[in-house]
Amino acid sequence: AQKVTQAQTEISVVEKEDVTLDCVYETRDTTYYLFWYKQPPSGELVFLIRRNSFDEQNEISGRYSWNFQKSTSSFNFTITASQVVDSAVYFCALSEANFGNEKLTFGTGTRLTIIP
Amino acid sequence: NAGVMQNPRHLVRRRGQEARLRCSPMKGHSHVYWYRQLPEEGLKFMVYLQKENIIDESGMPKERFSAEFPKEGPSILRIQQVVRGDSAAYFCASSPLEREVRYSDTQYFGPGTRLTVL
Repeated sequence: AQKVTQAQTEISVVEKEDVTLDCVYETRDTTYYLFWYKQPPSGELVFLIRRNSFDEQNEISGRYSWNFQKSTSSFNFTITASQVVDSAVYFCALSEANFGNEKLTFGTGTRLTIIP
Repeated sequence: NAGVMQNPRHLVRRRGQEARLRCSPMKGHSHVYWYRQLPEEGLKFMVYLQKENIIDESGMPKERFSAEFPKEGPSILRIQQVVRGDSAAYFCASSPLEREVRYSDTQYFGPGTRLTVL
């Protein structure tokens, strides 16, 4: 069975600091997909990134970057120069690539608070 | 290009009533997933549907919950005889039909329906 662990329940940092959100996953499949979603206080889920298990290249998008390491089964998310608008709950999720069924297994989320 | 639509956004029911939650997938999407988010928890998969077919309902409670995705119209998640423990946010996600190889489509989520059972 697949599992996603986000050990950090809550993190608070002062604005402009960098912050890393940890995500560790478990799966028996050799092909799988990892995701990060953001849930701002308004409650909707915002897709941030999808990464497949064959692509271990790190990715950067503006102030966001992701570090995927298969050796440690981790897919960590770093926000550089944090801003108040980054305050949200962030979910890491895993999908095993079973053809026709890509249901997501979510972690319990990390609540990030950026202090002005 | 409209995103995933869910209605109502907020729903209040008394214990014992029925709740009907609707989800219209993104244009061109024929796969719908329902997830439930209990207060202060992550999202849990409930059911996966294609048009007129339930593909995976392994996350659905055995009683009182049902889902459908008819040929025409939105997907419906139905909860009969609601109880206080059903109070949660229910999210719908959709992804497109075409799959030429074994891969995973990104699921785009609707805004959710917040169900409150009094």
